[in-house]
Amino acid sequence: AQKVTQAQTEISVVEKEDVTLDCVYETRDTTYYLFWYKQPPSGELVFLIRRNSFDEQNEISGRYSWNFQKSTSSFNFTITASQVVDSAVYFCALSERGGYQKVTFGTGTKLQVIP
Amino acid sequence: EAGVAQSPRYKIIEKRQSVAFWCNPISGHATLYWYQQILGQGPKLLIQFQNNGVVDDSQLPKDRFSAERLKGVDSTLKIQPAKLEDSAVYLCASSRGGRMNTEAFFGQGTRLTVV
Repeated sequence: AQKVTQAQTEISVVEKEDVTLDCVYETRDTTYYLFWYKQPPSGELVFLIRRNSFDEQNEISGRYSWNFQKSTSSFNFTITASQVVDSAVYFCALSERGGYQKVTFGTGTKLQVIP
Repeated sequence: EAGVAQSPRYKIIEKRQSVAFWCNPISGHATLYWYQQILGQGPKLLIQFQNNGVVDDSQLPKDRFSAERLKGVDSTLKIQPAKLEDSAVYLCASSRGGRMNTEAFFGQGTRLTVV
């Protein structure tokens, strides 16, 4: 069975600090996808990134970067020079192979960036 | 493009009453999902439609929950009768396809409070 663990329930940082959100996953499949979504106070989840299990290259997009390590089953998300607008709940999700995707979300990490 | 539309945004009902939620996905998206998000938890998939057919309803409490997707477009989720533990945010999402590498686009959700 697939499982996603986000051990950090809440994190508070001061604006301009760097912050890393942890995600650890469990799956028996060799082919799978990992996602990060952002949920601002308005409620809708916003897609941030997708990574497949065969691509361990780290990715950077502006102030966001992602570190995927299959050896430790982790897919961590770093925000550099955090801003107040980054305050939200962030979810890591795992999608396994199948006829249709079956997505499991973690419990989320609430990030508060203090001005 | 217009996003996923959901209504109502908020609903308060007494236990044992019935309630219905409506979702209009992004135009052209074949796959539609209903998720339940209990406070402090990640979204849990209730049901997934591919066009107007159900591809996964393994976590839908079928004794009280029902869903339909008319003509492969709009969808309604109904709870009858509601229980206190059904208090949650109900999120609708859609995607172009249902394959595991497909990101979903979410609506803002309906916050249900059962008293």
